[in-house]
Amino acid sequence: GAGVSQSPRYKVTKRGQDVTLRCDPISSHATLYWYQQALGQGPEFLTYFNYEAQPDKSGLPSDRFSAERPEGSISTLTIQRTEQRDSAMYRCASSIGLASTGELFFGEGSRLTVL
Amino acid sequence: AQSVTQPDIHITVSEGASLELRCNYSYGATPYLFWYVQSPGQGLQLLLKYFSGDTLVQGIKGFEAEFKRSQSSFNLRKPSVHWSDAAEYFCAGGRVEYGNKLVFGAGTILRVKS
Repeated sequence: GAGVSQSPRYKVTKRGQDVTLRCDPISSHATLYWYQQALGQGPEFLTYFNYEAQPDKSGLPSDRFSAERPEGSISTLTIQRTEQRDSAMYRCASSIGLASTGELFFGEGSRLTVL
Repeated sequence: AQSVTQPDIHITVSEGASLELRCNYSYGATPYLFWYVQSPGQGLQLLLKYFSGDTLVQGIKGFEAEFKRSQSSFNLRKPSVHWSDAAEYFCAGGRVEYGNKLVFGAGTILRVKS
């Protein structure tokens, strides 16, 4: 697509439920990043993909968090057994590739609220 | 560990006044540096970026930033602020060897008073 698209824009769920967030990157972009942004904070890195490979998932806060990008395009971020502390804006970004100089293009984010 | 620091959480300036937002970085080597702006309900929009070369970089919306290696700083400036500049501003750094993942500062909220 022309820009990075994320869905849903807003998600309210109850504690203990699983949620899946979706990111559709710019079509020519090889790399895709997930960030978590708590209220009043800057975005914090979660994980990234280079095509379908996932070289770095060091930012995932626990094993309840997982991400996939099976065909090197659309990616999903899944949070299992959600907790209130998972409430945040989840931002996806894409870039041309690892050989580029790093400009990331961000989507509008998915705001997750866990009750 | 890599880090980016924005010392000012909030800044208020009068419309038409000049603006400087501070950013300091701590990296093993000079990172690529970026300034992003976030308006309510919007995604992060890139204002400008520094990779190498000229230490004064120009961006969109009349913003500029100066890279100072000796001070590990990359401060954002604008000579005359408009009410529409009210937003949250984030400084970020990255390196190719870290997968280009950006490390963000905590952000500075800019308020513009008329």
